[in-house]
Amino acid sequence: GEDVEQSLFLSVREGDSSVINCTYTDSSSTYLYWYKQEPGAGLQLLTYIFSNMDMKQDQRLTVLLNKKDKHLSLRIADTQTGDSAIYFCAETSGGSYIPTFGRGTSLIVHP
Amino acid sequence: NAGVTQTPKFQVLKTGQSMTLQCAQDMNHNSMYWYRQDPGMGLRLIYYSASEGTTDKGEVPNGYNVSRLNKREFSLRLESAAPSQTSVYFCASTPGGFSGYTFGSGTRLTVV
Repeated sequence: GEDVEQSLFLSVREGDSSVINCTYTDSSSTYLYWYKQEPGAGLQLLTYIFSNMDMKQDQRLTVLLNKKDKHLSLRIADTQTGDSAIYFCAETSGGSYIPTFGRGTSLIVHP
Repeated sequence: NAGVTQTPKFQVLKTGQSMTLQCAQDMNHNSMYWYRQDPGMGLRLIYYSASEGTTDKGEVPNGYNVSRLNKREFSLRLESAAPSQTSVYFCASTPGGFSGYTFGSGTRLTVV
């Protein structure tokens, strides 16, 4: 079955760029998503990319997709303390519209 | 715009008690979902409703039942709570297709 893997933790300094990585196993992936979860809250959709795209940029967020390596990344430029949260990668594949979620990466931003 | 509203926000149950978690969305979305989130486990799908009048099992349906009451509301019932059901429960909705989810703020359930 599908599998989505993420590293559990990432620590960065305020002002630096953060890169959160995700790998997936299903070569028929169609849409890939990034969600953000702040403490005590639900998940919030940040951005998504269709599998025929290599890159998508939205203000401070850049999503890169390497379909050959089944690797997705989320780059946050000029990381702020307010970016501290858990970031979830998710993908849909095989015609199903129900995403498979990774276990989340906790981003810690320190001064 | 409220989005997805879940009630209650917190609940403590004794083993064997029953309860219903409520979820309502005001975005006219077709599809609704129930997930549970446990530390280190990510999100696991319990049940979903692709459209009004339909419900289907997800990855971890045992011990739960659902009702899609109307297009707005999708409830999750625990008939006989067990400590293994201690978790944070999230409801989500989408218009359908590959649109991303809108999540509620969660219900934190503890079963003692």
